Amino acid sequence: GENVEQHPSTLSVQEGDSAVIKCTYSDSASNYFPWYKQELGKGPQLIIDIRSNVGEKKDQRIAVTLNKTAKHFSLHITETQPEDSAVYFCAASQGTYKYIFGTGTRLKVLA
Amino acid sequence: DSGVTQTPKHLITATGQRVTLRCSPRSGDLSVYWYQQSLDQGLQFLIQYYNGEERAKGNILERFSAQQFPDLHSELNLSSLELGDSALYFCASSVGGGGAKEKLFFGSGTQLSVL
Repeated sequence: GENVEQHPSTLSVQEGDSAVIKCTYSDSASNYFPWYKQELGKGPQLIIDIRSNVGEKKDQRIAVTLNKTAKHFSLHITETQPEDSAVYFCAASQGTYKYIFGTGTRLKVLA
Repeated sequence: DSGVTQTPKHLITATGQRVTLRCSPRSGDLSVYWYQQSLDQGLQFLIQYYNGEERAKGNILERFSAQQFPDLHSELNLSSLELGDSALYFCASSVGGGGAKEKLFFGSGTQLSVL
């Protein structure tokens, strides 16, 4: 069945360093790839997304890259700050109700 | 703040009981989605309603049911509760019926603890 694998499950970086989270999807029909940030006690918040006709998208310190051939996409956070500490989820979708989420990455930014 | 409102934030109940979780979507959004987040798992899609009608079904147990009312708020009913039903339940909403250009916005969730 459809599956999204996400790695690593936990990630610790020093403040100011970069963080990279990778996801691989199985359904080649997936065409929309959002990333969500979930802080403690809150719901997932959409932070960036990319569609299958684009290879890379950037928003300030956050960027997402997509390799359709290899069916993987990655989240890059540069110049990490303590407030970036959260759980990050990737997802693959053909339409909103068919979001398949990864299992999440707990990012800890050490001051 | 996503604009999606969920109540209650926390719910503690006993096995065998029934509870109702409530969700109000963002203003203007017609679809409501319910997700379950267990401790060791990601977000599992349960069900979607669009403008009052069931649109899509995921891994929802028969003991669970949902509905969307004319004012577009939604309720998720969980009955004959078991210990394994303890989880965070999220509601999300989107503008339309779930097309490729739509984005999903999540509420803060209801933490259900079954004792």
